[in-house]
Amino acid sequence: DGGITQSPKYLFRKEGQNVTLSCEQNLNHDAMYWYRQDPGQGLRLIYYSQIVNDFQKGDIAEGYSVSREKKESFPLTVTSAQKNPTAFYLCASKEQGLFETQYFGPGTRLLVL
Amino acid sequence: GNSVTQMEGPVTLSEEAFLTINCTYTATGYPSLFWYVQYPGEGLQLLLKATKADDKGSNKGFEATYRKETTSFHLEKGSVQVSDSAVYFCALYPGSGDQGAQKLVFGQGTRLTINP
Repeated sequence: DGGITQSPKYLFRKEGQNVTLSCEQNLNHDAMYWYRQDPGQGLRLIYYSQIVNDFQKGDIAEGYSVSREKKESFPLTVTSAQKNPTAFYLCASKEQGLFETQYFGPGTRLLVL
Repeated sequence: GNSVTQMEGPVTLSEEAFLTINCTYTATGYPSLFWYVQYPGEGLQLLLKATKADDKGSNKGFEATYRKETTSFHLEKGSVQVSDSAVYFCALYPGSGDQGAQKLVFGQGTRLTINP
């Protein structure tokens, strides 16, 4: 089955700790995205990548970092500089080209201990 | 700039009622428009889309028509079911001349609850 997987489903972060959220896709999509969702709000773009070894900041990149070493993988690190990391994180991917549909993973909920 | 405005939720209806969730947008050029649905604790699923004016997207009994003259993409369903309870997001890709053409712009979401 083709799709997007995110792990873990729940993640707990201690103060001052960096944590990494995994996103893998086997859809052969070129572009990948990370979004943050807070309760009762829409999605806000953190980072996106249109091709391997290249990525751009979204609207709320501060306190986050990413890498894109492989086409199928786009991990997100939430650093200790992100002071309010509690949220639901969603990864998405799409084919290259304008207006292609973005497909979403099941999400990771990050909680702070 | 580009933006999407959805009707405020939550919306609560009885089963078999008619549903309308309003969505209006501001965008440069000719955007593509989307409705996504999110069930509790899950990611977003594409519900329907429309890529040019007067296009109608439809899926699972839901419909939305791209109205350029009113900059709207309202979601409708003739008879809702309990299983339609979810959060619905309207979104757009700006027109091709916009630097943000590869980035979706989302509305804030509308929570829908259907009572039996």
